[in-house]
Amino acid sequence: EPEVTQTPSHQVTQMGQEVILRCVPISNHLYFYWYRQILGQKVEFLVSFYNNEISEKSEIFDDQFSVERPDGSNFTLKIRSTKLEDSAMYFCASGRIGGVLYEQFFGPGTRLTVL
Amino acid sequence: DQQVKQNSPSLSVQEGRISILNCDYTNSMFDYFLWYKKYPAEGPTFLISISSIKDKNEDGRFTVFLNKSAKHLSLHIVPSQPGDSAVYFCAATINTGNQFYFGTGTSLTVIP
Repeated sequence: EPEVTQTPSHQVTQMGQEVILRCVPISNHLYFYWYRQILGQKVEFLVSFYNNEISEKSEIFDDQFSVERPDGSNFTLKIRSTKLEDSAMYFCASGRIGGVLYEQFFGPGTRLTVL
Repeated sequence: DQQVKQNSPSLSVQEGRISILNCDYTNSMFDYFLWYKKYPAEGPTFLISISSIKDKNEDGRFTVFLNKSAKHLSLHIVPSQPGDSAVYFCAATINTGNQFYFGTGTSLTVIP
C-alpha cells in the first residue's frame, strides 16, 4: 500500500541554522500539507500546497518557513533560521481528490530538535 | 485559539466494552469532521469522517455522531480491543479542505 515517507526521522540542529525536512507524498495525490506537534500539544496546521503554490497557511507559517515541490515527487519544508521553539514533530501529509474527500495520509514525522 | 477541543486527555476502557471519545468545536463554519488515530512514533492515521449534513456515520466497529446544535461530535468504538489503544484526534475543516484544525487528542487505553 502506498505511503507517505519523511526523511530524516530525527534532525538535530543548532539555533539559527537552516533545516530542510523532506517528504515524498503518495504519487497520485495532489494536495500536500505540513503540520507540527510540539511535545504534549495538539497537532497544528502549518501550510497546504496545491498546484505548485501555497493554498493556505497558518499564522505559525511566517517568513522563516517555506515549502517547495522541487521535482514533482519531493515536498520540502525549509526553516531558514531555527529557533528553540521550532523543536517539534513535523508531519507531512498528502491528499487526493475523490475517495474519502479531505482524507489526508500522514507520514511518520520528523522530530526536529533545536539546541 | 482552540477551535477544536478534546477535554478528556485520557480514557481507559475494558476490552469488549464501548469507548466513547468526545470532541467539541466552536466554529459553526466547520462542515467536515474527521477522526484520526495515532500510535507512538507514527503519523496520524485516518479513521472515519462525517459531513455536517449527516448526524451519524458508521464503519465497522467505529461510529461517529455529530450534534451540530451542540457543536459536539463523538467517536464510539464497539467492542473495544487492546489494539485500539492509541491517541485519537478529532479534526475539522471548512469547505476548502485546506486547513484542518485538530484537537489536543485523547489517549485511549483498552485494558485486556
